[in-house]
Amino acid sequence: DAKTTQPPSMDCAEGRAANLPCNHSTISGNEYVYWYRQIHSQGPQYIIHGLKNNETNEMASLIITEDRKSSTLILPHATLRDTAVYYCIVRAFSQKLVFGQGTRLTINP
Amino acid sequence: KAGVTQTPRYLIKTRGQQVTLSCSPISGHRSVSWYQQTPGQGLQFLFEYFSETQRNKGNFPGRFSGRQFSNSRSEMNVSTLELGDSALYLCASSLDGRLNTEAFFGQGTRLTVV
Repeated sequence: DAKTTQPPSMDCAEGRAANLPCNHSTISGNEYVYWYRQIHSQGPQYIIHGLKNNETNEMASLIITEDRKSSTLILPHATLRDTAVYYCIVRAFSQKLVFGQGTRLTINP
Repeated sequence: KAGVTQTPRYLIKTRGQQVTLSCSPISGHRSVSWYQQTPGQGLQFLFEYFSETQRNKGNFPGRFSGRQFSNSRSEMNVSTLELGDSALYLCASSLDGRLNTEAFFGQGTRLTVV
């Protein structure tokens, strides 16, 4: 079973920041937080991952709380092409990626 | 560099038949994982191969099998196909499947069993 909890759906206006929350209250010390997204009928796309420090790349920022029990994925300037299902996953060494139901993010013009 | 390549992209098979799907990982990647995606069950892990050995296995019946070759390319096979096997089958590759290594997915093979 997935070890994360995400809202089933969210909406965001184009050009605004999209903030996607994820709860992972049972995360272990050796587990990383990964974010993937899946645009309709395509393979999941890796976005970002982190352990305990905040991370930023060209796609997004990942904010992990100090107790590591929750995190937020931030898409700074959402576009229509960011409409997708976003998956938050916790994963440790050699473990498989366990996908939950994710958050269906809709970017509105 | 080239991404993960899955072939074929679409496939239609009849109940009772068997099918083989292929996955070519990103050059240099040694870990290949397979997932099944259906509307009802979402993305479910099938198995993972690393250096030609199965390292992890999901909760699927023995009709689902796989293998990995010395060049890291992988195949999965489903025998005695059932209607419920209709799904999008996804392959993911990573450098070695260890912690702190991201996995990259292919576009998938959409299998329809009639």
